[in-house]
Amino acid sequence: LAKTTQPISMDSYEGQEVNITCSHNNIATNDYITWYQQFPSQGPRFIIQGYKTKVTNEVASLFIPADRKSSTLSLPRVSLSDTAVYYCLVGAMDTGRRALTFGSGTRLQVQP
Amino acid sequence: GAGVSQTPSNKVTEKGKYVELRCDPISGHTALYWYRQSLGQGPEFLIYFQGTGAADDSGLPNDRFFAVRPEGSVSTLKIQRTERGDSAVYLCASGQSIDEQFFGPGTRLTVL
Repeated sequence: LAKTTQPISMDSYEGQEVNITCSHNNIATNDYITWYQQFPSQGPRFIIQGYKTKVTNEVASLFIPADRKSSTLSLPRVSLSDTAVYYCLVGAMDTGRRALTFGSGTRLQVQP
Repeated sequence: GAGVSQTPSNKVTEKGKYVELRCDPISGHTALYWYRQSLGQGPEFLIYFQGTGAADDSGLPNDRFFAVRPEGSVSTLKIQRTERGDSAVYLCASGQSIDEQFFGPGTRLTVL
């Protein structure tokens, strides 16, 4: 399983765009990149998943460069409710081991 | 619709005691996962069920931990002879596709 490295914490203000970058130098050809969000006293929640280039949904965008050795989660115009821990996960979406491997995540604090 | 539910939400026990933690997955989800999360860390995989059978139990730390899912729906995580190091939040997740797991709120276990 590819190891991921992401900042321990980030601070932002309401209304700003937040970009959280994750490094995964050893990503394998069949690995996908997935981001989860976790609020205190809750389980993680799926945000977005991608394989290459750019993926966008109603919550966030995920940018993946051509070499796929890193990825950036972009949260547009954050609000106080976006304060949470964000996890970057890398793993193969095929048969076999289906467990998610979480790192320590990035703790995002949004200030008013 | 109803999400994943876990009971109890909190469990305090004494060292050496036996505990059972229950997970009710989303109806129709065939895959069920148990994770353990220590303070400040990401969730750590324990065991994965596909239907009634444990497809991957490689994350169980030792033979004091056991999980069942007899009818392919509700699952119970059982911990024998609890130790203080077992204190953590135990998370359950269920899914239908390999891409996404839906997590419950967790059970906070405290071993005194």
